[in-house]
Amino acid sequence: DTEVTQTPKHLVMGMTNKKSLKCEQHMGHRAMYWYKQKAKKPPELMFVYSYEKLSINESVPSRFSPECPNSSLLNLHLHALQPEDSALYLCASSREPSTDTQYFGPGTRLTVL
Amino acid sequence: AQRVTQPEKLLSVFKGAPVELKCNYSYSGSPELFWYVQYSRQRLQLLLRHISRESIKGFTADLNKGETSFHLKKPFAQEEDSAMYYCAPPRSNYQLIWGAGTKLIIKP
Repeated sequence: DTEVTQTPKHLVMGMTNKKSLKCEQHMGHRAMYWYKQKAKKPPELMFVYSYEKLSINESVPSRFSPECPNSSLLNLHLHALQPEDSALYLCASSREPSTDTQYFGPGTRLTVL
Repeated sequence: AQRVTQPEKLLSVFKGAPVELKCNYSYSGSPELFWYVQYSRQRLQLLLRHISRESIKGFTADLNKGETSFHLKKPFAQEEDSAMYYCAPPRSNYQLIWGAGTKLIIKP
């Protein structure tokens, strides 16, 4: 399996809901990433996991909570989001947590009402 | 501060014409530069990386350390090259700085 998969493809949630985004890769990559991408903008890095440990948090609000249960799986837990959090959330992985090629998932399109 | 500049938001060329997408960066180390591409309704993917010379679809990019540029070139554009292109040099913590992107439109 040489792809990064993300579920769900689309998510609509209210500001009081709790939901989770899931990302999976089976390429043996040791770094995994969450990005947020607004329309017609480049991806913005949110979190980096390196060997299943959180190594970078780009000052992301606490209403976003990442989790890496094992080396293949990455979750992003969402709680009390704001409408401005609506965006495409991308997961990526790379072989090593360095300047290595990143492989992206298709993204989850999140809409916060 | 480390920066990357893609001066063209939009670039439109005719099929068969040469294409050059500009990227200028500031980075104090020896850069490992990337170009990523996002085709309509497809995932973001690597197009080219400097150090390994990996490339797809006929694109090349030469690192010019004097001008701190890593412009992307293709001699003859194809309609399927229409996409969003991002230049991405690394930061000191090895994470990527993403340029604002250039939307390339190839006219038939």
